[in-house]
Amino acid sequence: KAGVTQTPRYLIKTRGQQVTLSCSPISGHRSVSWYQQTPGQGLQFLFEYFSETQRNKGNFPGRFSGRQFSNSRSEMNVSTLELGDSALYLCASSSPAGGLQETQYFGPGTRLLVL
Amino acid sequence: AQKVTQAQTEISVVEKEDVTLDCVYETRDTTYYLFWYKQPPSGELVFLIRRNSFDEQNEISGRYSWNFQKSTSSFNFTITASQVVDSAVYFCALNQRTSGSRLTFGEGTQLTVNP
Repeated sequence: KAGVTQTPRYLIKTRGQQVTLSCSPISGHRSVSWYQQTPGQGLQFLFEYFSETQRNKGNFPGRFSGRQFSNSRSEMNVSTLELGDSALYLCASSSPAGGLQETQYFGPGTRLLVL
Repeated sequence: AQKVTQAQTEISVVEKEDVTLDCVYETRDTTYYLFWYKQPPSGELVFLIRRNSFDEQNEISGRYSWNFQKSTSSFNFTITASQVVDSAVYFCALNQRTSGSRLTFGEGTQLTVNP
């Protein structure tokens, strides 16, 4: 089975721009979660989508949003980029119902640099 | 509230030495899962093990072993006869019933195995 894939792998943007990151889960997985990793804050949960609905949300401003499509693929959008949004964004998928007791499998991440 | 603490920021050993990575967690839930992930320089988080709160059996997988002790809220990870390929950042994570799929990560331990 193919693993979780994320595109693009690297991205450079300037302050004020917006960005969209994409994640394709493992085949059959219906839950997709997003995490932000920075040297200062570590790994932090952004949100989780299941069956096209946001099921769980972390403590991030409204500039961070996401969605999930009927094929379980997910996108994450960050509007009005700030320097502090520079990070590694990791996507994880789990099966079949997500939630507790389901192991999350991570993709390679998207490295975003905001200049 | 949930919290995971990995007090060891960096560990450096010589190949073939045994090394133990510490993890202490806090949760008010009686149902929860604990995980260990490995993050090599490429960035992807690689799943290593999952343990539920009702199963305190220690586990061994090849050179890896895990010691789960609810009495001390610890879930330590030991690598026996370390190898250079074990060099990575290791994360301990907690998933509790009241948080859905959200993983709470520790700060990570950078393990360097020198030849």
